[in-house]
Amino acid sequence: QVQLQESGPGLVKPSQTLSLTCTVSGVSLDTGNYYWTWIRQPAGKRLEWIGRLYTSGSTNYNPSLKSRVSISVDTSKNQFSLRLSSVTAADTAMYYCAMGVAGFPYFDFWGQGSQVTVSS
Amino acid sequence: EIVLTQSPGTLSLSPGERATLSCRASQSVSGSNLAWYQHKPGQAPRLLIYGASSRATGIPDRFSGSGSGTDFTLTIRRLEPEDFAVYFCQHYGTAFGQGTNLEIK
Repeated sequence: QVQLQESGPGLVKPSQTLSLTCTVSGVSLDTGNYYWTWIRQPAGKRLEWIGRLYTSGSTNYNPSLKSRVSISVDTSKNQFSLRLSSVTAADTAMYYCAMGVAGFPYFDFWGQGSQVTVSS
Repeated sequence: EIVLTQSPGTLSLSPGERATLSCRASQSVSGSNLAWYQHKPGQAPRLLIYGASSRATGIPDRFSGSGSGTDFTLTIRRLEPEDFAVYFCQHYGTAFGQGTNLEIK
């Protein structure tokens, strides 16, 4: 059974970089034809797609965040990570990681989410 | 940019009743790119329906999806206590509806 679990600081100061890690079990990040995604949801708002990383190494990012976001993978730890720079209060949200199969535009598995608050 | 609008925002029903949830796209979309998820507090969202009408692995057949163009529907035939949750639709992996809260009446 595939499982994903987000981890990282729950509090980040304005202008700093938000860093989250998604630990994956049940499937290897360096095999298969998958993609690995980050999504967030500010309180009371709809989900927002942040970006995705394919097993091949290619990435796609939400144009509204592209200048500040980076998604990378650590196959030795079976983890993928999100970095979001120059954060503001508007980046306060529940952050989710998820996976899908390349070519299929939906997510077969998600993590439970990690709350990140941006505040001084 | 595709915008998905779900209705109603909240649906109050009793176990055993039928639930009908709507997801409307701001422009015509391919049904093959439309998915539905169930989300309970503190849990990971669960894929229910993909390709507008195909049930994901392990999803009971009381859940069904339909629709095309701009109008899509998720139907839960006979509500079980565990079905009360938030449901949201998704298009092409990047656009999400705002969700419908299905609550016990």
